[in-house]
Amino acid sequence: ETGVTQSPTHLIKTRGQQVTLRCSSQSGHNTVSWYQQALGQGPQFIFQYYREEENGRGNFPPRFSGLQFPNYSSELNVNALELDDSALYLCASSLEDRSYEQYFGPGTRLTVT
Amino acid sequence: DAKTTQPTSMDCAEGRAANLPCNHSTISGNEYVYWYRQIHSQGPQYIIHGLKNNETNEMASLIITEDRKSSTLILPHATLRDTAVYYCIVRAGRVAYKLSFGAGTTVTVRA
Repeated sequence: ETGVTQSPTHLIKTRGQQVTLRCSSQSGHNTVSWYQQALGQGPQFIFQYYREEENGRGNFPPRFSGLQFPNYSSELNVNALELDDSALYLCASSLEDRSYEQYFGPGTRLTVT
Repeated sequence: DAKTTQPTSMDCAEGRAANLPCNHSTISGNEYVYWYRQIHSQGPQYIIHGLKNNETNEMASLIITEDRKSSTLILPHATLRDTAVYYCIVRAGRVAYKLSFGAGTTVTVRA
């Protein structure tokens, strides 16, 4: 069984640019959540997608947006990048009936210069 | 969701039990206690969760006090691979999305 995968592994962008991060959820998992983890801190919830619809959002501005596709894979888009957006972005997926167990990917390290 | 308090760090000897405390004195009746851990350079990993009864699985045991104001995660035989940041999270319901991770406890298992 393939786990949660994310791409790219690392990314360097310039302030003001836009970025798209990708996540392939574990087979059969229909919910996907995205988290931002700044250096030395715990992950912070950005939003969750369930059956292609946003289903809960954390305290992040609208320039953070996402998509979920019919195969349950997902994208996180960030517009107008700021230096504080530099972080590890984690994707997590789960089964609908085992939603207490989130499976996290290895993350994408984004650096904004 | 209720706030949790964990020690910043702790050491443990390899092969011994590691007991990780978590205080959640403002927990509500419908809030579960979840434990996740994050090994360096990896995403967090689910360990265990519980409501009021003690729970055990292949990874760990979770002991919740009768008043539910605190809990302890027990790793029965710590190995070097258990070195990680351990997060105690309290959240309403068995749906573990929108998890609120604090700073966690950095556990170092020493040979």
